[in-house]
Amino acid sequence: DVKVTQSSRYLVKRTGEKVFLECVQDMDHENMFWYRQDPGLGLRLIYFSYDVKMKEKGDIPEGYSVSREKKERFSLILESASTNQTSMYLCASSLWGALNTEAFFGQGTRLTVV
Amino acid sequence: AQTVTQSQPEMSVQEAETVTLSCTYDTSESDYYLFWYKQPPSRQMILVIRQEAYKQQNATENRFSVNFQKAAKSFSLKISDSQLGDAAMYFCAYRRRTGGGADGLTFGKGTHLIIQP
Repeated sequence: DVKVTQSSRYLVKRTGEKVFLECVQDMDHENMFWYRQDPGLGLRLIYFSYDVKMKEKGDIPEGYSVSREKKERFSLILESASTNQTSMYLCASSLWGALNTEAFFGQGTRLTVV
Repeated sequence: AQTVTQSQPEMSVQEAETVTLSCTYDTSESDYYLFWYKQPPSRQMILVIRQEAYKQQNATENRFSVNFQKAAKSFSLKISDSQLGDAAMYFCAYRRRTGGGADGLTFGKGTHLIIQP
């Protein structure tokens, strides 16, 4: 089974802190994604990566950056956390190519910025 | 840009009954995929069913089936014989079919499905 693992289920950080959210997948997927989930807004794409060291902005990249140094790991970075970044963060991965369509998700990290 | 609209924030159904969740989307692409994902209280997103736009036949997975109307850009999910374990948030999602590469899914805002025992 595909497994996508996020390092924390719950995280509480202070305003202004630098925050790292880690995601690891074990199925050799090329594509990895970070989404933000808020009530009434669904899931919104923050960043995605299709290869090591490659990244593309999604719909809401402001205030975030990402790092992909190894194929299996994709990190989301909040350079200076703010209260409006309190949210649920979901990582996902998928295979490269049009024929491989399913995205597999991690269990989510609920981040609270105080 | 593609958009996905789920007009029902919450739906309630009696156990063993049938319920239909609505989804419409907007795209200028002719070839794409549509999905329904389920998110139970555990927060784990689970793929329920997928539909390729080039296929006219509606997808079916056991008690779950879709009504795909390409011209109307409509993609509804029907759950038959509803069970307590079906209670969850359901998200409709869209992904364009590309020649290769990565494309994120575009999600609707979700429908909270309640199953009444």
